[in-house]
Amino acid sequence: DVKVTQSSRYLVKRTGEKVFLECVQDMDHENMFWYRQDPGLGLRLIYFSYDVKMKEKGDIPEGYSVSREKKERFSLILESASTNQTSMYLCASSPRRAANSPLHFGNGTRLTVT
Amino acid sequence: QKEVEQDPGPLSVPEGAIVSLNCTYSNSAFQYFMWYRQYSRKGPELLMYTYSSGNKEDGRFTAQVDKSSKYISLFIRDSQPSDSATYLCAMGVEIQGAQKLVFGQGTRLTINP
Repeated sequence: DVKVTQSSRYLVKRTGEKVFLECVQDMDHENMFWYRQDPGLGLRLIYFSYDVKMKEKGDIPEGYSVSREKKERFSLILESASTNQTSMYLCASSPRRAANSPLHFGNGTRLTVT
Repeated sequence: QKEVEQDPGPLSVPEGAIVSLNCTYSNSAFQYFMWYRQYSRKGPELLMYTYSSGNKEDGRFTAQVDKSSKYISLFIRDSQPSDSATYLCAMGVEIQGAQKLVFGQGTRLTINP
């Protein structure tokens, strides 16, 4: 079974802090993704990566950056956290670039910015 | 207009009922259609996927796609309390070798024993 592990289940941070969300997958998948999930808005893609040291912007990249130094690890960085970044963050991986390649999700990190 | 629209519910039905979950979409380029299930405090997991119009069955679940109407449905027969979850539709297309997947808002479903 593919396992995608997000390092924190809950995080509480203050406005202006730099925040790191970590994600590790154990199935040697090439592709990794960061989504945020908000009520009424569904899942929205923040950033994704098809290879080590490679990153592409998703639909809502503003205020975020990412790092992929190793194939199994994909980090989401909030450079200066703001209250509108309070959300559930979901990391996912997939084995192929094709649109029908299933996403395997972690269990999410619920971030609260006060 | 959102590319994918899904009734957020919540939807509450008695055990054994037939459940119908629906999504509409506006982008005729979508090639793949998926349903993900998300239990409380868990990440979504792929339930079904199809790429053509018509029906696809998997046990008690049937995914239906109507490309001419830009409408997809998930039917659950003999619903069980363990089916209580949020169901997300997702539509995918390849653009210049890159994968684009768009999710619906999710429908929260409760099956009452």
